[in-house]
Amino acid sequence: EAGVTQFPSHSVIEKGQTVTLRCDPISGHDNLYWYRRVMGKEIKFLLHFVKESKQDESGMPNNRFLAERTGGTYSTLKVQPAELEDSGVYFCASSQELRSEQYFGPGTRLTVT
Amino acid sequence: KNEVEQSPQNLTAQEGEFITINCSYSVGISALHWLQQHPGGGIVSLFMLSSGKKKHGRLIATINIQEKHSSLHITASHPRDSAVYICAVMGAQKLVFGQGTRLTINP
Repeated sequence: EAGVTQFPSHSVIEKGQTVTLRCDPISGHDNLYWYRRVMGKEIKFLLHFVKESKQDESGMPNNRFLAERTGGTYSTLKVQPAELEDSGVYFCASSQELRSEQYFGPGTRLTVT
Repeated sequence: KNEVEQSPQNLTAQEGEFITINCSYSVGISALHWLQQHPGGGIVSLFMLSSGKKKHGRLIATINIQEKHSSLHITASHPRDSAVYICAVMGAQKLVFGQGTRLTINP
């Protein structure tokens, strides 16, 4: 069974540009989470989907971040326009049930210059 | 003060030593996770526990709900155990992470 995949693995963009990150969860997992680790800090929760619905988006830093999960399968996280402080590693995770074990993707390292 | 505190932040040991990493949390939780991240690698879930103790190979995780404390132990440590170990607690519906412990095992 394929694990959680993320694309791209690394993205370097200039300040002001737009970047879209993609996450494909494990098939059948209704719960999908986005997390972010910025340099030197702990991993922080961004948001949680249950199927295609946003269950909790309390961790989204501001309205430059937009997450979607059309059809309840893969999810995208768009940053527009990107700022320097958005640099970090963005992780996606999925789980079958709420509060069950989460399986993490390899992460996307975003560098904004 | 973070809701999840890990200690130590960095740990260097010799191969074969017994390793303990501690995690204290200040919020109510439904479960606690121990995660592992190798340099340049993704995050792997080691344990999810809500009470008592779990063992997998050379790894042991314990949790004391009353004291809001968990420990991760590695017996007979090996250089391949070198990684960042992260404690994360499941609150209402989301994980809250500690800063991680960077473990280096020298041969």
